[in-house]
Amino acid sequence: ILNVEQSPQSLHVQEGDSTNFTCSFPSSNFYALHWYRWETAKSPEALFVMTLNGDEKKKGRISATLNTKEGYSYLYIKGSQPEDSATYLCASKNGGSQGNLIFGKGTKLSVKP
Amino acid sequence: GAVVSQHPSRVICKSGTSVKIECRSLDFQATTMFWYRQFPKQSLMLMATSNEGSKATYEQGVEKDKFLINHASLTLSTLTVTSAHPEDSSFYICSATTGLAGPSSAKNIQYFGAGTRLSVL
Repeated sequence: ILNVEQSPQSLHVQEGDSTNFTCSFPSSNFYALHWYRWETAKSPEALFVMTLNGDEKKKGRISATLNTKEGYSYLYIKGSQPEDSATYLCASKNGGSQGNLIFGKGTKLSVKP
Repeated sequence: GAVVSQHPSRVICKSGTSVKIECRSLDFQATTMFWYRQFPKQSLMLMATSNEGSKATYEQGVEKDKFLINHASLTLSTLTVTSAHPEDSSFYICSATTGLAGPSSAKNIQYFGAGTRLSVL
């Protein structure tokens, strides 16, 4: 059974703090790793799709790295703002393009002003 | 771009009734749509995958006669929970892609609706 683990489950930081969280995924038959940002009562929004070992992607103050050999990805937020408060989901696709996305439970980030 | 609309956002119904949830891609053609369910403090779990004009593929343990999926057009998929019971109470969310392609292709991105909270009394 494929399992995607995210830690921590929740995180409370002050405005301006930088933070990071982890996604662990199966490394066998790895195809792609997705990160989503999910604000309450809204649709999950795609942040990154990562495929190659050593990939680093950046979108504004948010960046992510990927290690496919050991099966983990880090998401970093630099200088957190209250509007960054959301649940961050990662999902792994294994076994080729036909594989399903397997989601983690998410990391809930709260940024206090 | 790539907006998916899901309705209703919340529904409360009596046990034994059927509930239909709609998922529409507003500004793109969705060749593939996905239906997920999320129980409290759990991850999104895939229920079924549907391609336009063909029968949905259900994940193991998901009753296809209970959860009817129709993907009649490239912009609309519906999930009908038939004869709903309290144990069907959950959060249901749909997503759509423009197709399957190479690993780094944007076609692999799933665009999500905002979900439907179903409560069965």
